[in-house]
Amino acid sequence: EVQLVESGGGLVQPGRSLRLSCAASGFSFDDYAMHWVRQAPGKGLEWVSGISWNSDSIDYADSVKGRFTISRDNAKNSLYLQMNSLRAEDTALYYCAKDVGRRAYSPDRWGQGSLVTVSS
Amino acid sequence: QSALTQPRSVSGSPGQSVTISCTGTSSDVGGYKFVSWYQQHPGKAPKLMIYDVSKRPSGVPDRFSGSKSGNTASLTISGLQAEDESDYYCCSYAGSYNLFGGGTKVTVL
Repeated sequence: EVQLVESGGGLVQPGRSLRLSCAASGFSFDDYAMHWVRQAPGKGLEWVSGISWNSDSIDYADSVKGRFTISRDNAKNSLYLQMNSLRAEDTALYYCAKDVGRRAYSPDRWGQGSLVTVSS
Repeated sequence: QSALTQPRSVSGSPGQSVTISCTGTSSDVGGYKFVSWYQQHPGKAPKLMIYDVSKRPSGVPDRFSGSKSGNTASLTISGLQAEDESDYYCCSYAGSYNLFGGGTKVTVL
């Protein structure tokens, strides 16, 4: 069974940094692209970033480009999101999602999310 | 990177069919076959219902179908059931990023 478990969220002050992790199990992690998608309280889904199966293709939403960095460690079956210069508008539930294939085109299975709150 | 356009809400009676539209541009929906649809119940993670415009993942009822014409993709739910009441989101690859729609609330009357 596919399992994705996010961790690392919490309350952080504006301008500070946070690193999210996603532990994957139940599938061949190194065969699939991965995504981070966020959802602000009471709002819709917003795609944040995607990474291909071998990390040779990485994309970001304009809203986080230059501040967030996605990475993966296939040996550890883990996905990461380094978030720097956090802003109040980054407050959201952050989901880790597996893709249907090797390129980051279509999120497939999702974790339960990790809540990030940016506030002073 | 503007969000794809979806109706805020649609409704139908049990057994009826409803269709949700998702309008983008030639740079996203119209330019790629990578359109997907998600169902999200309150407080739950999204669930993939359709990918690659019209493919259904294993376990998704065949009442759910997807299509695309030009810059507009559509999700149709046939034989509407009470458990289909939920929020639905479309998503499209756009060359160097992905875009979601604003979401549509489906109400079963």
